[in-house]
Amino acid sequence: AQKITQTQPGMFVQEKEAVTLDCTYDTSDQSYGLFWYKQPSSGEMIFLIYQGSYDEQNATEGRYSLNFQKARKSANLVISASQLGDSAMYFCAMREGVFSGGYNKLIFGAGTRLAVHP
Amino acid sequence: DVKVTQSSRYLVKRTGEKVFLECVQDMDHENMFWYRQDPGLGLRLIYFSYDVKMKEKGDIPEGYSVSREKKERFSLILESASTNQTSMYLCASSPHGGWGRMITDTQYFGPGTRLTVL
Repeated sequence: AQKITQTQPGMFVQEKEAVTLDCTYDTSDQSYGLFWYKQPSSGEMIFLIYQGSYDEQNATEGRYSLNFQKARKSANLVISASQLGDSAMYFCAMREGVFSGGYNKLIFGAGTRLAVHP
Repeated sequence: DVKVTQSSRYLVKRTGEKVFLECVQDMDHENMFWYRQDPGLGLRLIYFSYDVKMKEKGDIPEGYSVSREKKERFSLILESASTNQTSMYLCASSPHGGWGRMITDTQYFGPGTRLTVL
């Protein structure tokens, strides 16, 4: 079963508008972490934001915020006031907390390609 | 800022050649990782290292080996390159040791190496 699901292969948004990128996850752990990364066409994966499963507040980092709905197992990324430079692939990832005998690796979704139009 | 560098952005090699991909991080991070990224398959972990001279297999280690002689440097080796190893290779590092059991252990990525095997 998919652990991380990003249902939107592509999205577009007008410059200066807000956009929400969807991410749902599947885990039976109570303790886990959720990450969002941005990958521009240059290839580098850039860390954007982190949300812990026990964090009571939604994470925010500048124009990025994470809409964390634990009961629904969703961790959507909200980008406010989109800029042309936001055009990129966006990946949601999860690390589960229960030690399984090895490294608790990051599990990535398939990504969403965002295009910001002027 | 965390800086992860990779020796080449683009590399073209011939089938059967031995290929070295180098990765260096300057933040004294404990863990280092090699991923490959293919369209539709997302990021897949090849190997990781949690200490000097220590390595662990990821999800797809076949056809690859790694070396970590110094803390800041992690090399990926393709012993005999094949066309199915044509891919984008991403190196990452993260600060926390202990097999990365910390939920918050954020990975920071290099710019990637796009390898083509002819």
